[in-house]
Amino acid sequence: EEQLVESGGGLVKPGGSLRLSCAASGFSLSNAWMIWVRQAPGKGLEWVGRIKMKIEGETTDYAAPVKGRFTISRDDSKNTLYVQMNSLKTEDTAVYYCTADRTVTTDYGIDVWGQGTTVTVSS
Amino acid sequence: QSVLTQPPSASGTPGQRVTISCSGSSSNIGSYTVNWYQQLPGTAPKLLIYSDNRRPSGVPDRFSGSKSGTSASLAISGLQSEDEADYYCAAWDDSLNGPGYVFGTGTEVTVL
Repeated sequence: EEQLVESGGGLVKPGGSLRLSCAASGFSLSNAWMIWVRQAPGKGLEWVGRIKMKIEGETTDYAAPVKGRFTISRDDSKNTLYVQMNSLKTEDTAVYYCTADRTVTTDYGIDVWGQGTTVTVSS
Repeated sequence: QSVLTQPPSASGTPGQRVTISCSGSSSNIGSYTVNWYQQLPGTAPKLLIYSDNRRPSGVPDRFSGSKSGTSASLAISGLQSEDEADYYCAAWDDSLNGPGYVFGTGTEVTVL
């Protein structure tokens, strides 16, 4: 069974940093576009960013609110995805979902979701 | 700020048909396929419909999707109590800020 397990969430002060990890099992994330999605308390889903496969140059794309502050990376040898979050703001408070698009196209959607890890930015 | 607009809520009695709309633009729905996600209370979202109207294995055929131009819709026929959830449409978007994946504003479905 395909599974994604996030870790690293917690409480951080505004301006601080946090790194989230996501371990994949049941499939190789080397063959997937890996995507972070977040959901603020009581709000809808928000795409954070994506990292393409190694053969695609591990190209990254980010949503405007996090561009320049968040960095997504992957270690295919460890089957693990990361997001380094710097200069955190209170509006970054959310549940962060690690997700995978194993079809690596724009047509088929995000087919694997983690259970989420909570990030709270507060003084 | 989402660029895909959905009604905030929808409801129906068991057995009824409920339809949820999703309005976008030429840079997203007009250019890419639409996906739908179901988020049951307290859980992570799940892919419900992909490529406008296709169901992943295990999704009941009560759920169907369609698209026309820059709008899409999700229909739930034979509504059941376990369908109470939040539903989100989504599509890739070629915005001025660069490519990205946009979600709809979300629709809360209540079974009366």
